[in-house]
Amino acid sequence: GAVVSQHPSRVICKSGTSVKIECRSLDFQATTMFWYRQFPKQSLMLMATSNEGSKATYEQGVEKDKFLINHASLTLSTLTVTSAHPEDSSFYICSARDRVRGGVTGELFFGEGSRLTVL
Amino acid sequence: AQSVSQHNHHVILSEAASLELGCNYSYGGTVNLFWYVQYPGQHLQLLLKYFSGDPLVKGIKGFEAEFIKSKFSFNLRKPSVQWSDTAEYFCAVNARTNAGKSTFGDGTTLTVKP
Repeated sequence: GAVVSQHPSRVICKSGTSVKIECRSLDFQATTMFWYRQFPKQSLMLMATSNEGSKATYEQGVEKDKFLINHASLTLSTLTVTSAHPEDSSFYICSARDRVRGGVTGELFFGEGSRLTVL
Repeated sequence: AQSVSQHNHHVILSEAASLELGCNYSYGGTVNLFWYVQYPGQHLQLLLKYFSGDPLVKGIKGFEAEFIKSKFSFNLRKPSVQWSDTAEYFCAVNARTNAGKSTFGDGTTLTVKP
């Protein structure tokens, strides 16, 4: 199956600092990647859709200036949490859509997730 | 907009028991349907999907799901669960017209007692 890698898997930072999380599709090209936030015992909340070479589309209520998304290539998207605060602590997950295998069904391949803790 | 409802938040079963997890969606158009699984400490992965054709879909590890269009349902089943099936299960739907953007249910935690 297709492999999506997320890095780092865990990160602890001080309040006010910025943190970058990378999402890479290792063996396929992903024109579209998605960023989610998952709270304990809850579902995945879609934050934004990241399209290669264009601006990300943010879901309602998600601050685009706080959660910066860049999708510079067909295999890499980054999420930067700027000026992080304790309430930003969460599990962030990316997924990618394979332009070949997922073009019709929209099947998603997920990264391992990144646990962010803001002190 | 589409939405997904999973009726069971936490299911506890003994090994060899049969499993059925409910999933209903709301959307007026044509959809693709998915079940994803998240084993403890692992990332989400696809269990099975329905795109078209036979509404009874078979996935990995003996799981199957049936798409009943009239009921807007896509319930997940397994005749005999194993301890290793302990995981979080998510139902998801995307609209055929916007196949990339999936909506997820709240998830069902399945605990299988040995």
